[in-house]
Amino acid sequence: TQLLEQSPQFLSIQEGENLTVYCNSSSVFSSLQWYRQEPGEGPVLLVTVVTGGEVKKLKRLTFQFGDARKDSSLHITAAQPGDTGLYLCSSARQLTFGSGTQLTVLP
Amino acid sequence: DAGVIQSPRHEVTEMGQEVTLRCKPISGHNSLFWYRQTMMRGLELLIYFNNNVPIDDSGMPEDRFSAKMPNASFSTLKIQPSEPRDSAVYFCASSFGGLNTEAFFGQGTRLTVV
Repeated sequence: TQLLEQSPQFLSIQEGENLTVYCNSSSVFSSLQWYRQEPGEGPVLLVTVVTGGEVKKLKRLTFQFGDARKDSSLHITAAQPGDTGLYLCSSARQLTFGSGTQLTVLP
Repeated sequence: DAGVIQSPRHEVTEMGQEVTLRCKPISGHNSLFWYRQTMMRGLELLIYFNNNVPIDDSGMPEDRFSAKMPNASFSTLKIQPSEPRDSAVYFCASSFGGLNTEAFFGQGTRLTVV
């Protein structure tokens, strides 16, 4: 089973700040997904990355897949309170999830 | 489409009782997943069905847990007998195409065993 480590575990920032969260594995991903989960809801897919070095943008969110396909990062520019939630990475092939980063954006 | 529908949303039961969680996947999806989420262990895959057939049940914790998918539009997860350590949020998700595709999650069932 592929183990996924996410960091930081908790992050609390002010509205307007930038942030980066990370997802790492000791083994190679065939593909990787990022999900966001809000309180009382199930996770919702944000993006899937497949190719090493790939960069995908979703409005203020930038996702990067490491060249060796063992790590990924999510960068949020000018965070807003609506970005608050639990960010999870997933090894799509094995349906294994990391423990997540709980992000709180304060107004 | 209404999305993945789970019932009940909340369940409180006494230790030793049988608990049945229900899931209706999105119409047309051929894969269904059951997950358990706790603070300590995060989101764990319990079992994965493809075309109503269980493909991987290695995540099912023990014999007290069982899952069925009698048809493409319905699945159940049963715990018998339940124990306090089973308290968690249980999610059902479905997808079209199985692994490496987008999984759509239900809102979950919050189970509390006292």
